[in-house]
Amino acid sequence: DTGVSQDPRHKITKRGQNVTFRCDPISEHNRLYWYRQTLGQGPEFLTYFQNEAQLEKSRLLSDRFSAERPKGSFSTLEIQRTEQGDSAMYLCASSLGQGGGYTFGSGTRLTVV
Amino acid sequence: ILNVEQSPQSLHVQEGDSTNFTCSFPSSNFYALHWYRWETAKSPEALFVMTLNGDEKKKGRISATLNTKEGYSYLYIKGSQPEDSATYLCASLTGGGNKLTFGTGTQLKVEL
Repeated sequence: DTGVSQDPRHKITKRGQNVTFRCDPISEHNRLYWYRQTLGQGPEFLTYFQNEAQLEKSRLLSDRFSAERPKGSFSTLEIQRTEQGDSAMYLCASSLGQGGGYTFGSGTRLTVV
Repeated sequence: ILNVEQSPQSLHVQEGDSTNFTCSFPSSNFYALHWYRWETAKSPEALFVMTLNGDEKKKGRISATLNTKEGYSYLYIKGSQPEDSATYLCASLTGGGNKLTFGTGTQLKVEL
């Protein structure tokens, strides 16, 4: 296992377009998290899954955002009708239960023009 | 303290200097305190996960302490090296142990 993979690394899109990001966690990890980081801020929680169940969503996650984790393996984060304010680094992480550190991916840098 | 706060925001030190950073977090509903190192163009890397008041952890030249009663943690780097240059993030685990709340990080630059 080579860690948490995220694809793509960079995405430039026009305002109003839909984008989808993918995260492949460490296979043994049952928890998967999405975070977003904007300039000058720490990563902010968006949502998390335990296996295939999405158990919590932040208020930051407007109805334009949707995340899925079919079969409890990889996860996708879709943003519909992108806005310039969606420009950020989107980080995925996974963990085995609550107790340990998270393993992060390298992130997807989204730029909305 | 309502949010996770880190200081200083940035730090420039010379190779060989020892340095330390501070993380303040809400002491109520505490589950754990995480420290991560994030180098440019790489993934954030877990350094420590700390849960017990008075806990002290060490990894090579880096160590951390935890005070859950007053809500702070210190990260120490002894004999800084250029490869220590990174952003150091702390995060408090809250929300029933399901959500990390991050500080804004301390950006460390170690110069030769």
